[in-house]
Amino acid sequence: DAKTTQPPSMDCAEGRAANLPCNHSTISGNEYVYWYRQIHSQGPQYIIHGLKNNETNEMASLIITEDRKSSTLILPHATLRDTAVYYCIVPFSGSARQLTFGSGTQLTVLP
Amino acid sequence: EADIYQTPRYLVIGTGKKITLECSQTMGHDKMYWYQQDPGMELHLIHYSYGVNSTEKGDLSSESTVSRIRTEHFPLTLESARPSHTSQYLCASTNGGSGANVLTFGAGSRLTVL
Repeated sequence: DAKTTQPPSMDCAEGRAANLPCNHSTISGNEYVYWYRQIHSQGPQYIIHGLKNNETNEMASLIITEDRKSSTLILPHATLRDTAVYYCIVPFSGSARQLTFGSGTQLTVLP
Repeated sequence: EADIYQTPRYLVIGTGKKITLECSQTMGHDKMYWYQQDPGMELHLIHYSYGVNSTEKGDLSSESTVSRIRTEHFPLTLESARPSHTSQYLCASTNGGSGANVLTFGAGSRLTVL
């Protein structure tokens, strides 16, 4: 799998935008970037994914750099319920062992 | 609304017991996965399946075994539980198409072995 690097923790004020970075410098041309989050010890929840273009859905926006070596997940108006561990994943489409989760970023939204 | 179901959600058993954690999905997904996660730690892939009668071990060695007799069902079995097996077990599935694959996770089974 293409390796990803994320900061271990971040804080964000409630109502402000949370910008979570991820480096994936070894990504190849046909590999997607996925973002998941895990609240407490619940099952991880899919947020968004992208290949080359920026993406937006009802939960978040994903900004991918032109060289695709890094991306940023944006939660436009963070709430206390967004406090969670956020995982950036780049599964290798040709690998049998896809979707390996790293340690992620612990986002804490502060009141 | 969950389309992947795990039972039991919580289980406390004694050492030496045989246990089976159930995982079922109604989405017709070909690929299914089992992850193990200790509190505050990373998820580790322990088993995966690409379809009926296909199972493989994951990155983390596990004494558990799995089977895939039906597409929708992917149970995990521990023949003789030990305290070291105490953990949360998460089941997930995704479709088998090329390109983007989105994982859907179950709520997890939290196992405590005394």
